[in-house]
Amino acid sequence: GESVGLHLPTLSVQEGDNSIINCAYSNSASDYFIWYKQESGKGPQFIIDIRSNMDKRQGQRVTVLLNKTVKHLSLQIAATQPGDSAVYFCAEIASGGSYIPTFGRGTSLIVHP
Amino acid sequence: ETGVTQSPTHLIKTRGQQVTLRCSSQSGHNTVSWYQQALGQGPQFIFQYYREEENGRGNFPPRFSGLQFPNYSSELNVNALELDDSALYLCASSIGPLAGGPSETQYFGPGTRLLVL
Repeated sequence: GESVGLHLPTLSVQEGDNSIINCAYSNSASDYFIWYKQESGKGPQFIIDIRSNMDKRQGQRVTVLLNKTVKHLSLQIAATQPGDSAVYFCAEIASGGSYIPTFGRGTSLIVHP
Repeated sequence: ETGVTQSPTHLIKTRGQQVTLRCSSQSGHNTVSWYQQALGQGPQFIFQYYREEENGRGNFPPRFSGLQFPNYSSELNVNALELDDSALYLCASSIGPLAGGPSETQYFGPGTRLLVL
């Protein structure tokens, strides 16, 4: 069936490096995508979103890239800091209905000082 | 912090019991969604309430039910608890149910950790 998935369950990086977290989606009707960060013991926190009519969107230290041709989404974190250590989820929302995101499994980002 | 609060933070129940979880939405938000997050998994949508009416439901059995009150706070009720119901239950509030952009972004509470023995 339609699903959202992540390529890497765990990503370890050194402090100061750039991190790239990938996500594949399969629902061609999805037109809105969100990245969430979930720290231990907390609920998911909105990081950045992107609509399907965009290829790239930048925030503070984060960039989301969308490749609709191959149904791929990535989150880039510049100058990764220990505070970025968390589980990152991508979520997709299909057009034409309630705002109900479908989440993937998540990628655990570990930042080593 | 998002302004979304949930209670209790932790709960232990036995199989067959019933549980009620509570959520207070962020000020100005009229939509509440509930999710179940099993360990190591992403959140799975249970249902959504918009202005006190159910506005969508995921693939969960009828023993999962909910309410939304006039102040937009919400309850999740689970009857006949099963071991597999052990999970983190997340509540998220938003301005409205329609997909449209950042204003419809869902803001999550810290969750209620339920353990069924």
